[in-house]
Amino acid sequence: SQTIHQWPATLVQPVGSPLSLECTVEGTSNPNLYWYRQAAGRGLQLLFYSVGIGQISSEVPQNLSASRPQDRQFILSSKKLLLSDSGFYLCAWSVLRGGGRFWFGPGTRLTVT
Amino acid sequence: AQTVTQSQPEMSVQEAETVTLSCTYDTSENNYYLFWYKQPPSRQMILVIRQEAYKQQNATENRFSVNFQKAAKSFSLKISDSQLGDTAMYFCAFIVRTGNQFYFGTGTSLTVIP
Repeated sequence: SQTIHQWPATLVQPVGSPLSLECTVEGTSNPNLYWYRQAAGRGLQLLFYSVGIGQISSEVPQNLSASRPQDRQFILSSKKLLLSDSGFYLCAWSVLRGGGRFWFGPGTRLTVT
Repeated sequence: AQTVTQSQPEMSVQEAETVTLSCTYDTSENNYYLFWYKQPPSRQMILVIRQEAYKQQNATENRFSVNFQKAAKSFSLKISDSQLGDTAMYFCAFIVRTGNQFYFGTGTSLTVIP
C-alpha cells in the first residue's frame, strides 16, 4: 500500500535559521509530489509541485525552495526563515493513472520565533 | 482558469441531523476528478469521497454522499446522521485528468452540536 512520511512532525526555529523538511513516499513510482502550506484556520496554499526528479514548479515567490533528489523524495528548504513562514506544511502525492488519487502526509507544524 | 468556490465558511448541525456543504468549480475541461477532504483538529487531511466527472452516478461512502451536477459545475457533500467526529474543516478539490495541479476551495468549518 502507499504511504507518505513527513518529518519532523513539529519544529520550532528562530528567525534567520535554515529549514529542511523532508517527505518520502512508499508503494508507488513516479508520483507527482506537492508542498502545501496552511496558516492557522486558513486554506491550503500550493508552494511547489514536482512531476519528476529535478523538476520543480514554484507557485509562490518567497524565500522557500524545493528539491526532488530521488523519485520518491521531496524536500522543502529555506536558507533564512521569516516569521511569516510559520504554519502547517503538508506534503502530498498523486497519480492520475488508475483513476486519480491524491494523498496527504501527516504534516509538519513549524513555528518561527 | 480553474477555480473552486466554497461559499459557506462556517456551518453547524445538530447531532444525528443531515447537513449539505456546497462547492462550485470552474473549468473548461471535460475530464476531471472531484474530491472532498476532511481536516479534523489533528490537521491530518483525510479523503472523504471521490467522484469521476465522466460518471453520472453520484458517489457514496457510508454516511457521506455527493450531489454532482456537471452542467452546473456543482459538487455538494451531504453528511447524514451527523456525528461529533464529523466536526472538522472540509475542503472541496478537483484535478483535471491530464493536469498536475489540484485546486482546493477555501474550506467550510463544520461543527456538530451535541
